[in-house]
Amino acid sequence: DTAVSQTPKYLVTQMGNDKSIKCEQNLGHDTMYWYKQDSKKFLKIMFSYNNKELIINETVPNRFSPKSPDKAHLNLHINSLELGDSAVYFCASSSFGDTQYFGPGTRLTVL
Amino acid sequence: EDQVTQSPEALRLQEGESSSLNCSYTVSGLRGLFWYRQDPGKGPEFLFTLYSAGEEKEKERLKATLTKKESFLHITAPKPEDSATYLCAASFVNAGNMLTFGGGTRLMVKP
Repeated sequence: DTAVSQTPKYLVTQMGNDKSIKCEQNLGHDTMYWYKQDSKKFLKIMFSYNNKELIINETVPNRFSPKSPDKAHLNLHINSLELGDSAVYFCASSSFGDTQYFGPGTRLTVL
Repeated sequence: EDQVTQSPEALRLQEGESSSLNCSYTVSGLRGLFWYRQDPGKGPEFLFTLYSAGEEKEKERLKATLTKKESFLHITAPKPEDSATYLCAASFVNAGNMLTFGGGTRLMVKP
């Protein structure tokens, strides 16, 4: 009964490719997020999304886009991958204003 | 810009040697202060949420406290299984529900 799940766990791809990471939550939360953890283990918010509002961290390149088919899913699409995109990406969910629960992460390696 | 700073970056303790981790944050507009534990290769695991100065929460050997400018995570008589990276995060009233994370404290407890 995994609360927040992500697929795939590992993703290795070439520069210039387009890829997607999927996230699903079964907690009934109304808000989902994507975070990036770099090589120094620093976690940084990328997006916050619920059915009313998308908040984008201004530092995120527009090659990254979240897409939500329904309240339980928030997928991350990345176009024209670059070496600097290599990192671990975490999905999280919460009821708005409440504690966020994180998924297990997807390690993306761009060659 | 809202900021969260953790110290020390790394901490080595002997089993049973109590200590405290520090998290300081931008003073204005704190909505909530969160503590997470992260094990290698895994997502952050929720520990505590604190909302107001003077609030304290406990779980087993861990106790989190909050003042108007910082939070402490006290570890009493730690065991080797407490070894992990401890992350502090804050949500601010001007940033929706997005979390700003500190750099983490890597705790190592030797038997």
